[in-house]
Amino acid sequence: QVQLQESGPGLVKPSETLSLTCTVSGGSTNTFYWSWIRQPPGKGPEWIGYIYYSGSTNYNPSLKSRVSILVDTSNNQFSLKLSSVTAADTAVYYCARHRSLAGHFDYWGHGTLVTVSS
Amino acid sequence: DIQMTQSPSSLSASVGDRVTITCRASQRISTYLNWYQQKAGEAPKLLIYAASSLHGGVPSRFSGSGSGTDFTLTISSLQPEDFATYYCQQSYSPPLTFGGGTKVDIK
Repeated sequence: QVQLQESGPGLVKPSETLSLTCTVSGGSTNTFYWSWIRQPPGKGPEWIGYIYYSGSTNYNPSLKSRVSILVDTSNNQFSLKLSSVTAADTAVYYCARHRSLAGHFDYWGHGTLVTVSS
Repeated sequence: DIQMTQSPSSLSASVGDRVTITCRASQRISTYLNWYQQKAGEAPKLLIYAASSLHGGVPSRFSGSGSGTDFTLTISSLQPEDFATYYCQQSYSPPLTFGGGTKVDIK
């Protein structure tokens, strides 16, 4: 059974960089696509971007200038960095897997709340 | 970006009711449409993929249909554990986008 677990600071100051890691167990980051998705309180999910196991990425244009996603296949992890955060970036952040570029998200992490506040 | 519009945004129903939720895409997406269920404090869970394929372990009372721009999620007989928020999501073209959600609560 594939499991994903997000980790990282729950509080980030405005203008700083949000950094999260997703650890995958029961499966390998050496295949498939790995995405970050966020959900502001009371709103619907927003896709942030994905990384393919080869390292190729695709980001949401609304966040592209501030986002970086990397994969560490040796540790079965992938990470998210979002720079210059504001209060609008406060959300529950999820990592998720999809088998193909046009695929569905079949496994999700539990999510981690990140609050942007001074 | 492909915009996904769900209706209604909320509905009240009773156990045993047949419930239908609609999702419309702003452009044709073939059958690249997925449905998720989310309960409070939990991550979304995949119910239906490719418009009409039931994800493993999902009860058969859930079904999906549609292609092109118009899609439907149907719950044939609502059960107590089905009270939740439902989201559609297109996987036709990045950026991958979700609908605004439909909250199903108890009548």
